[in-house]
Amino acid sequence: AQKVTQAQTEISVVEKEDVTLDCVYETRDTTYYLFWYKQPPSGELVFLIRRNSFDEQNEISGRYSWNFQKSTSSFNFTITASQVVDSAVYFCALIGGTASKLTFGTGTRLQVTL
Amino acid sequence: GAVVSQHPSRVICKSGTSVKIECRSLDFQATTMFWYRQFPKQSLMLMATSNEGSKATYEQGVEKDKFLINHASLTLSTLTVTSAHPEDSSFYICSASGHLTEAFFGQGTRLTVV
Repeated sequence: AQKVTQAQTEISVVEKEDVTLDCVYETRDTTYYLFWYKQPPSGELVFLIRRNSFDEQNEISGRYSWNFQKSTSSFNFTITASQVVDSAVYFCALIGGTASKLTFGTGTRLQVTL
Repeated sequence: GAVVSQHPSRVICKSGTSVKIECRSLDFQATTMFWYRQFPKQSLMLMATSNEGSKATYEQGVEKDKFLINHASLTLSTLTVTSAHPEDSSFYICSASGHLTEAFFGQGTRLTVV
């Protein structure tokens, strides 16, 4: 069975603060893929990143960075210098082995205020 | 990323009527499409997986006679909510996959049954 846990239900920060969204996963597959999606109030899911289980390199994309640690089964997401436009629900998700279907975490609602 | 178009984005229907939602992959062939349902402030719940040309696989607890899924071509899947009731009001979102490790989402459909 696969499971994705996002323990933080809601986070509120002031603009320009850094914020880290936690994601812990469980899978028995040796090959798996991890994802982060952003869901703004309009509802669509915006793809942010995909990481495979063999690539533990951290990744940075502008103000976004991801820290993948297999030893702790975590794939955390950091937003540096947060902006109001970052306010959304963020989902971490997992595809394991040949399952091809995503297992989602419960999401973290991020509120960035001025 | 690839483009998945979902239509309509919003629909209001009367109780007892049926509603069809379309999901199209615009620039790739989607061998597999997934349908999710999302209640307010909750995560996405997978309803069913459909492969082109074959019957959909429904998740436990999802009524296949109520939520009819058709995946007649590599670029189109439809979800029909039959005899809709107010409790079917929800946000429905599809995703399309060309191979196992990709998942691109449509914009979602907000269904309101009155």
